[in-house]
Amino acid sequence: EPEVTQTPSHQVTQMGQEVILRCVPISNHLYFYWYRQILGQKVEFLVSFYNNEISEKSEIFDDQFSVERPDGSNFTLKIRSTKLEDSAMYFCASRKGLEDRGSYNEQFFGPGTRLTVL
Amino acid sequence: GQNIDQPTEMTATEGAIVQINCTYQTSGFNGLFWYQQHAGEAPTFLSYNVLDGLEEKGRFSSFLSRSKGYSYLLLKELQMKDSASYLCAVYSSASKIIFGSGTRLSIRP
Repeated sequence: EPEVTQTPSHQVTQMGQEVILRCVPISNHLYFYWYRQILGQKVEFLVSFYNNEISEKSEIFDDQFSVERPDGSNFTLKIRSTKLEDSAMYFCASRKGLEDRGSYNEQFFGPGTRLTVL
Repeated sequence: GQNIDQPTEMTATEGAIVQINCTYQTSGFNGLFWYQQHAGEAPTFLSYNVLDGLEEKGRFSSFLSRSKGYSYLLLKELQMKDSASYLCAVYSSASKIIFGSGTRLSIRP
């Protein structure tokens, strides 16, 4: 069964450094998302991406963050100048689109990247 | 504003039935999800309701009342592996899901 994959599974970085989190969405999916979950807290929406542009972003997703789909398979989240409070689990998700109305709204989550900022 | 409320913790007995409630107030509504999340893992999809009523899927059922801003997840024949957090989430727009804080369900033998 196709699945969303994410690399690395765990990233440790120093405060102020830049990190790039990578995701490979399911191949025929059209919509892509990034969420984060700080330990013990709820899952928070960061950004959605469709047709090579951002569809919607939350107030968390400020100039420190950027997303890119550099090729036909990868979807990346870049965090510039990381802060201690950026430590969290980052989940990528994708969904198919409107073709299959029976389940088109289901978002499939990747296993996550645990980011630790020291 | 955006608000999704669900109990923080619940405990139930193996083999029993448990109902996890969720109330929501969001600026938009395009459907409601329930996800299961084990500690340290990604959320996994359980159900999606967009119309009022009950959706049944095996041991899991989900109910929605849009007029009341209310949903519940019903788990039957509880098993120890059902110990997890259950996340209520609202599709507030075509591009955005808002999650509740989750209900941590503990199953005792």
